[in-house]
Amino acid sequence: QVQLQESGPGLVKASETLSLTCTVSGGSISDYYWSWIRLSTGKGLEWIGRVYSTGETHYNPSLKSRFTISVDTSKSQFSLRVSSVTAADTAIYYCARRRSDTLYFDYWGQGILVTVSS
Amino acid sequence: QSVLTQAPSASGTPGQRVSISCSGSSSNVGNNAVNWYQHLPGTAPKVLIYTNNQRPSGVPDRFSGSKSGTSASLAISGLQSEDEADYYCGVWDDSLRGWVFGGGTKVTVL
Repeated sequence: QVQLQESGPGLVKASETLSLTCTVSGGSISDYYWSWIRLSTGKGLEWIGRVYSTGETHYNPSLKSRFTISVDTSKSQFSLRVSSVTAADTAIYYCARRRSDTLYFDYWGQGILVTVSS
Repeated sequence: QSVLTQAPSASGTPGQRVSISCSGSSSNVGNNAVNWYQHLPGTAPKVLIYTNNQRPSGVPDRFSGSKSGTSASLAISGLQSEDEADYYCGVWDDSLRGWVFGGGTKVTVL
């Protein structure tokens, strides 16, 4: 059974950089699209961006370029970096998988709550 | 604020039928496959319906999806207590070039 697990700090200070990691187990990280999605109060789910197993990325054009997603296939992990965080980045962050031949997210992590403090 | 519009809440008694709508535009719902996700807080969201009306294996046939024009719907027939959750629609948006979601509908079983 494929499992995704987010890890990282639960509290970050404003203006600092947030780093999260998603560890994939029970399946291969190769040949899939891996996304970061966040859920914040009042905004619902927001897709941040994705990385393919080759390292190719695509980000939500509506977000500013503070987000960086990368993949480490040797560790079966992919990561999200958010620079210059503000209170608006407080959210539950989820990692999710999409197969290259489908148009939906079939596996999600349980999410990690990140709070940005002033 | 979400690109797709959902009512914030819906409710029903056990056994009733509940319908949740998702309204979008020609660049998203009108032109692409709609998916529905069920989310119980503190757990991983789960795909309930994909490609407008397809159920993954293991999803009860009480859940059904449909789409017409720029609107989609999720129906839960024979509502059960374990169906109490948040439901989100999601779809690719050709104009925004990204995945977009609805604001979520919280279903309460009375």
